[in-house]
Amino acid sequence: EAQVTQNPRYLITVTGKKLTVTCSQNMNHEYMSWYRQDPGLGLRQIYYSMNVEVTDKGDVPEGYKVSRKEKRNFPLILESPSPNQTSLYFCASSSGQGETQYFGPGTRLLVL
Amino acid sequence: DAKTTQPPSMDCAEGRAANLPCNHSTISGNEYVYWYRQIHSQGPQYIIHGLKNNETNEMASLIITEDRKSSTLILPHATLRDTAVYYCIVRVLWRGNEKLTFGTGTRLTIIP
Repeated sequence: EAQVTQNPRYLITVTGKKLTVTCSQNMNHEYMSWYRQDPGLGLRQIYYSMNVEVTDKGDVPEGYKVSRKEKRNFPLILESPSPNQTSLYFCASSSGQGETQYFGPGTRLLVL
Repeated sequence: DAKTTQPPSMDCAEGRAANLPCNHSTISGNEYVYWYRQIHSQGPQYIIHGLKNNETNEMASLIITEDRKSSTLILPHATLRDTAVYYCIVRVLWRGNEKLTFGTGTRLTIIP
């Protein structure tokens, strides 16, 4: 089944403790992206990647890092999480060139 | 980004057609209209997209006005599982970043 998976789905952590949220897709998609969703602010793009080793900032990249070493994986790294990064995170992928984006199930993060 | 305007909420009786309007008066000639929905806090789900002509798939129909300044998503026989927030999005393609700009959407409630 074609899908985008994220792990973990739920995470509670403390300020400053590094964490990684993984994203994987099995559709051989070139384009991948991370969004965060907060009440009243909709979905905002954090980072995106157009292909392996090609990444760029979205609208709200501060406090996040990403890497794209393989086509299927696009992890989101929070080196030193802070409470304002408490949010619902979504990974998305597409084959690029304007094709439909498919979203993962989401990761709900709480930073204490 | 071309902005979209949607009513914040709508109700529809189960079994009836749900018609969700969207205004996008500043849309450019090569920008597509996409519709996604989000059920509770799950990942946004692609529904349909179009450029100029009306489109239909197994989930819905999309009617785009001739001047392209507005569109309507039609769910022909709404079920309780169609209760969700529906997002109308004008897709921006900028330097390869296929960012989707989600607004506040329409919260559709299907009434038994």
